[in-house]
Amino acid sequence: EIVLTQSPGTLSLSPGERATLSCRASQSVSSNYLAWYQQKPGQAPRLLIYGASSRATGIPDRFSGSGSGTDFTLTISRLEPEDFAVYYCQQYGSSPPWTFGQGTKVEIK
Amino acid sequence: QITLKESGPTLVKPTQTLTLTCSFSGFSLSTSGVGVGWIRQPPGKALEWLVLIYWDDDKRYSPSLKSRLTITKDTSKNQVVLTMTNMDPVDTATYYCAHKLLGVRAFDYWGQGTLVTVSS
Repeated sequence: EIVLTQSPGTLSLSPGERATLSCRASQSVSSNYLAWYQQKPGQAPRLLIYGASSRATGIPDRFSGSGSGTDFTLTISRLEPEDFAVYYCQQYGSSPPWTFGQGTKVEIK
Repeated sequence: QITLKESGPTLVKPTQTLTLTCSFSGFSLSTSGVGVGWIRQPPGKALEWLVLIYWDDDKRYSPSLKSRLTITKDTSKNQVVLTMTNMDPVDTATYYCAHKLLGVRAFDYWGQGTLVTVSS
């Protein structure tokens, strides 16, 4: 089973600042099948990034994903008020289980 | 427009079997490449992927829960049914169903989720 470790656990930033979230896998993620989701309280997760770097439909270009192998990054170039939420990475490579990270909370400083 | 909605009991007793239904619209589970999965989230905790079924009836299970899970589809009703046996209080969670295409696309459309509490 691939374990995903997200860091930091909590990121305290102000609107307009840049956010950099990390997701490290215990072994290489096949075909870079790595996704990022945003979740706000009481809501279902929302897909932001798939295939490590492709933005999902309707996602603003301030969200970008990068990385390969075992190290992946989600960058939010300039935080908007609606971006304060919890972010999860997920790997969905060839063999189940398709695991999630434990999440990074982006909170207002 | 793709939508999904979960339904089922909100409270089950320990050792009972949970049955949840995912009703969807905007796509067909008879279309090549289409899949529907289940993901759960205990209160205040992280997401956990459980199972997925594809258009061709290929099923992928979480190894740790495989013995307790069954997933089926009814393409005529646009529904996917999840059963989980021998429920325990640690299974208390919000259960989501979600749409996924075969390959690089991740879970791109999600239901609102349904909270299931396991308690005597």
